[in-house]
Amino acid sequence: QAVVTQEPSLTVSPGGTVTLTCGSSTGTGVVTSGHNPYWFQHKPGQAPRTLIYHTRNKHSWTPARFSGSLLGGKAALTLSGAQPEDEAEYYCLLSYSGARVFGGGTKLTVL
Amino acid sequence: EVQLVESGGGLVKPGRSLRLSCTASGFTFGDYGMSWFRQAPGKGLEWVGFIRSKPYGGTTEYAASVKGRFAISRDDSKSIAYLHMNSLKTEDTAVYYCTRDGDITDYWGQGTLVTVSS
Repeated sequence: QAVVTQEPSLTVSPGGTVTLTCGSSTGTGVVTSGHNPYWFQHKPGQAPRTLIYHTRNKHSWTPARFSGSLLGGKAALTLSGAQPEDEAEYYCLLSYSGARVFGGGTKLTVL
Repeated sequence: EVQLVESGGGLVKPGRSLRLSCTASGFTFGDYGMSWFRQAPGKGLEWVGFIRSKPYGGTTEYAASVKGRFAISRDDSKSIAYLHMNSLKTEDTAVYYCTRDGDITDYWGQGTLVTVSS
């Protein structure tokens, strides 16, 4: 089974910018749009929330300060202008021929 | 308003079975695939499986960790997706979430807790 890698933890200052990445161990090791990258935000006691789908597309509820991209062979989630309420666990999800695999999650601290 | 409500969780002994339900409202259920995810205590999210809509064959996909033990079905007349869990193991202890999964995975339910313990 594929292994999807994320930074275990990151810290960003309020108003600052941070990029979370999502890598793949399978095949070439390069994440492409074919992996249909997703990014989810998960806060304690709440249901996860879909932020980004298919690499860079946002839902109507996704704050404009979040953006998705492919960067250096990985999927990336960039937060520009971090707010205290952005403190959460962030998970990426990649698709592999019908199967879907999560990364281990990145705990983002806004401090 | 799209709503997904999971139910059926609880305490179950290892080796036993349990069926979870995901009751949907606010959209045409038969037009969408549905997925199940889970989160074990202190762990990250895990994809469990997926069922396509009937127009796309109603077929299913499963994670390797549950394949052969879990099965997903759907009743479009009731707008319910089911997760049938057999031969449960302690490591299946988790909060189980369902999601709407058309072209994209968008809406999530609040989850239901399954505890597998003797």
